[in-house]
Amino acid sequence: SYVLTQPPSVSVAPGKTARITCGGNNIGSKSVHWYQQKPGQAPVLVIYYDSDRPSGIPERFSGSNSGNTATLTISRVEAGDEADYYCQVWDSSSDHHDVVFGGGTKLTVL
Amino acid sequence: QVQLVQSGAEVKKPGASVKVSCKASGYTFTGYYMHWVRQAPGQGLEWMGRINPNSGGTNYAQKFQGRVTMTRDTSISTAYMELSRLRSDDTAVYYCARTVVATPPHFDYWGQGTLVTVSS
Repeated sequence: SYVLTQPPSVSVAPGKTARITCGGNNIGSKSVHWYQQKPGQAPVLVIYYDSDRPSGIPERFSGSNSGNTATLTISRVEAGDEADYYCQVWDSSSDHHDVVFGGGTKLTVL
Repeated sequence: QVQLVQSGAEVKKPGASVKVSCKASGYTFTGYYMHWVRQAPGQGLEWMGRINPNSGGTNYAQKFQGRVTMTRDTSISTAYMELSRLRSDDTAVYYCARTVVATPPHFDYWGQGTLVTVSS
């Protein structure tokens, strides 16, 4: 089955740029979606189809996807961005079509 | 506005079954797939499967084949997820989340989650 690999943690100072990666075999050929989850809350979609932003999500959130790595970039990081972030794809490469999540990355704002 | 409202927390004994509901409002229930995703304490998100509310057709993750059943009642815009032969490692928050029918899907709305605790 398809595997998505994320770093367990990323730390960044307020006002700086955070980059969270999501690795997968030829992930550039898939559409990647990103979710933000704060403690005790349900996940929230922040990026879909690699780089599109849902309404209400700040422009500070952006995404890219190429080769074997997709990246979620958060510019001008704020304390409120501290959360877990998950990437997600749809794996249709086998007989079994599955939703696959990365293991998640905890973003800490220093 | 779109809302997915789930049933309340459950405590079950090992070997029992649990059925969680997810009532949808604010959109056409049959126009979107409903998925179920779970999250064990301190762990990541795990996809369990999906149901097409229009046809009732289902796709389950291999891990849960034979133990999970997803159904729906279109008359009350509600989806259900039943998990049988519960084990302690099924203790988790269970979420329903909708996606558009087209693939590849992304989850644009989520329920608030239902905590299922499996303990003897």
